[in-house]
Amino acid sequence: ETGVTQTPRHLVMGMTNKKSLKCEQHLGHNAMYWYKQSAKKPLELMFVYSLEERVENNSVPSRFSPECPNSSHLFLHLHTLQPEDSALYLCASSQESWAGGYTFGSGTRLTVV
Amino acid sequence: EDQVTQSPEALRLQEGESSSLNCSYTVSGLRGLFWYRQDPGKGPEFLFTLYSAGEEKEKERLKATLTKKESFLHITAPKPEDSATYLCAVQASGGSNYKLTFGKGTLLTVNP
Repeated sequence: ETGVTQTPRHLVMGMTNKKSLKCEQHLGHNAMYWYKQSAKKPLELMFVYSLEERVENNSVPSRFSPECPNSSHLFLHLHTLQPEDSALYLCASSQESWAGGYTFGSGTRLTVV
Repeated sequence: EDQVTQSPEALRLQEGESSSLNCSYTVSGLRGLFWYRQDPGKGPEFLFTLYSAGEEKEKERLKATLTKKESFLHITAPKPEDSATYLCAVQASGGSNYKLTFGKGTLLTVNP
């Protein structure tokens, strides 16, 4: 499979649950990103990994915890979320962290109840 | 702080009716300006990168242009399948140059 694949596509979780979002890329890219997309708002950068090293934590609450075990996989661990965290979470990759032509996945639609 | 403003927020066109979308930006130094297309329920799809004022890029019915303060996405004789949200983003040179700052997008609807 090519491109950027995100699972699950949809997730409903309670505020006390723990869940994880998964992202996988088969493009040989060295940088991976997590973005949050809320209605009527621009995409918000959450985390950046370059060669498996986190280079940006854009003031994201600690209830979001990223993990990048290798250059092809990226996870976003979720715990004790709030209803306002409901959004589309997008994973993206690029050849290098300074190359802006991202390839995005289709996203995980998260609903916190 | 880098800023991107897209206008209009929404645009309805008849098939074949050409128009333009605007992206105004402020950035300390521009490394690149990017256009993406996003269909409902999907992630953004990369369209173009523009690096310097005067540059133009074309793809089928789309043409992107860049000045020192704004970019236009011209749509010539659009078809219903061009309906989507079009996103503009800028990347600054230097500092946190891995970061893209996005606009809110323009929702384009092309009616048959």
